[in-house]
Amino acid sequence: KAGVTQTPRYLIKTRGQQVTLSCSPISGHRSVSWYQQTPGQGLQFLFEYFSETQRNKGNFPGRFSGRQFSNSRSEMNVSTLELGDSALYLCATCVGPGQPQHFGDGTRLSIL
Amino acid sequence: AQSVTQPDIHITVSEGASLELRCNYSYGATPYLFWYVQSPGQGLQLLLKYFSGDTLVQGIKGFEAEFKRSQSSFNLRKPSVHWSDAAEYFCAVGSNFGNEKLTFGTGTRLTIIP
Repeated sequence: KAGVTQTPRYLIKTRGQQVTLSCSPISGHRSVSWYQQTPGQGLQFLFEYFSETQRNKGNFPGRFSGRQFSNSRSEMNVSTLELGDSALYLCATCVGPGQPQHFGDGTRLSIL
Repeated sequence: AQSVTQPDIHITVSEGASLELRCNYSYGATPYLFWYVQSPGQGLQLLLKYFSGDTLVQGIKGFEAEFKRSQSSFNLRKPSVHWSDAAEYFCAVGSNFGNEKLTFGTGTRLTIIP
């Protein structure tokens, strides 16, 4: 069974640009969550989608947004990139409530 | 608000020695608790989970953890570590309405010496 797939694995952008990251869940997983991991702040929850609806949202500015498609694939978008957005962005998926999350290998975003 | 504390930033143990990584949580009801491991450049792999029932849970790779409600702890243990266990370990708590939003501790980096 294929795991959670995140693309691209690495990305380099400059300040002010925008970026879109993609996450393909494990087959049958309908919930997709996104996390940001940085050395200073650790792992922080961004948002979670289920059946194309955002159900939970963390404390991030509106520049961070996401969406989920009917096939459960999800994208997150970051606009007007700042140096502090450099991080590993992790996607996690699960079947539904009460089930453990499975993580992808992440997208490493570097802002120059 | 829920929170997780991992008091040890870095632990070094000898190969073959026993291991205990500490985790304390704060949550108003019975939590969902998890331990994940992360190797460099990779995502998080689930080691074990606690939802309810038996307070001693077994996981993959020979790890186990014990839920102690009175101490708000969920410590991870392994009787004999292997060099391949060197990694970063994260404890996490999810709400009992669903664990799609996890709150993580700051992690414990484990170094194994021969």
